[in-house]
Amino acid sequence: GDSVTQMEGPVTLSEEAFLTINCTYTATGYPSLFWYVQYPGEGLQLLLKATKADDKGSNKGFEATYRKETTSFHLEKGSVQVSDSAVYFCALSPGDAGNMLTFGGGTRLMVKP
Amino acid sequence: GAVVSQHPSRVICKSGTSVKIECRSLDFQATTMFWYRQFPKQSLMLMATSNEGSKATYEQGVEKDKFLINHASLTLSTLTVTSAHPEDSSFYICSANRQGGNQPQHFGDGTRLSIL
Repeated sequence: GDSVTQMEGPVTLSEEAFLTINCTYTATGYPSLFWYVQYPGEGLQLLLKATKADDKGSNKGFEATYRKETTSFHLEKGSVQVSDSAVYFCALSPGDAGNMLTFGGGTRLMVKP
Repeated sequence: GAVVSQHPSRVICKSGTSVKIECRSLDFQATTMFWYRQFPKQSLMLMATSNEGSKATYEQGVEKDKFLINHASLTLSTLTVTSAHPEDSSFYICSANRQGGNQPQHFGDGTRLSIL
């Protein structure tokens, strides 16, 4: 079945540091890929998405490129802020089976001032 | 603003109590909603898919008699944890998506359930 693997956290960075959170997936067909962010005590918010190979999703300074050849969707940000501290989930949705999401394990990001 | 509302946000109750959690889509109709469970510091696990006007589809290992799902309208799905016990304590999150191709899921803010 489909699966998503992302780097374990926590990831601890200083403010303005560069961020990369790795995400790889296994799926049949052509899934859509997502990054969601969860702030403490809250539900998930969609951060960005990509629906086909080579698409780049971007939002709030975060970017991720859908790489079919490496089955990856790594999340990057050039300069993190304290307010970016949260848990980040990589997820996929099968292209031909509705909108059911399969999540990675989540990566906690902690940004220190 | 929020497009999916989940209520209540937190529940603390005694063992044996049944607890109902509501999930509403605020400005769109959702024929399908999803219920997830999240343990501390872990990822979301899909419990069931809620289908308007029909029975929910439960994931393997989820007790349908324990977690009752009712999707009676196009904007409301409810999850009832029946006769809750401490092991049912968890963070429950619902989601829904607008109809149409490649629409992302919108999540509620979650319900933290604590059974004493």
